[in-house]
Amino acid sequence: GENVEQHPSTLSVQEGDSAVIKCTYSDSASNYFPWYKQELGKGPQLIIDIRSNVGEKKDQRIAVTLNKTAKHFSLHITETQPEDSAVYFCAARFAGGTSYGKLTFGQGTILTVHP
Amino acid sequence: KAGVTQTPRYLIKTRGQQVTLSCSPISGHRSVSWYQQTPGQGLQFLFEYFSETQRNKGNFPGRFSGRQFSNSRSEMNVSTLELGDSALYLCASSLVGRGREQYFGPGTRLTVT
Repeated sequence: GENVEQHPSTLSVQEGDSAVIKCTYSDSASNYFPWYKQELGKGPQLIIDIRSNVGEKKDQRIAVTLNKTAKHFSLHITETQPEDSAVYFCAARFAGGTSYGKLTFGQGTILTVHP
Repeated sequence: KAGVTQTPRYLIKTRGQQVTLSCSPISGHRSVSWYQQTPGQGLQFLFEYFSETQRNKGNFPGRFSGRQFSNSRSEMNVSTLELGDSALYLCASSLVGRGREQYFGPGTRLTVT
């Protein structure tokens, strides 16, 4: 089955710095890659996603890149702010079968932005 | 538009009991998926429902079951609770179709004592 590896497990940056989180996936048939932000006591919040026919997507301070050949994708946060502190999860969805909803998640990255 | 709602938010049960959790998807969303989140195993897929039918199931024992109603609301049930079932149970909904964004609810925190 699909496996997603996420690194690093913890990331500490100073306010204003950039943060990069990387994920690799095992199933080359995966075609959808969302990123979620989870704050304490809340459910995961979708922050950005990318599909396999696109190499890069940007939304204000957040960007995601996808390298299908290497089977890895990355989240880039620029000009980090203390409110970016949270746990970030990458995920992948296998394209085949009749299921629309099964996401396989990475283990998560605890991002801390110091003021 | 209201988000995904889950009830109850917190639950304490005793080993051997059973529990039912409820999820109301975003209006218009017909696909509902359930996930278990624990510190050790992370986020793991339980099952997915669409048109009142289970479309996919994760690697969980038969004690975990679910269903979906005609209004797309979904419930999951865990029978004969074990200590290891303590977790945050998350429900996510999406429109039908491949590559559709999935939105999560706040979860139900289940503690088994």
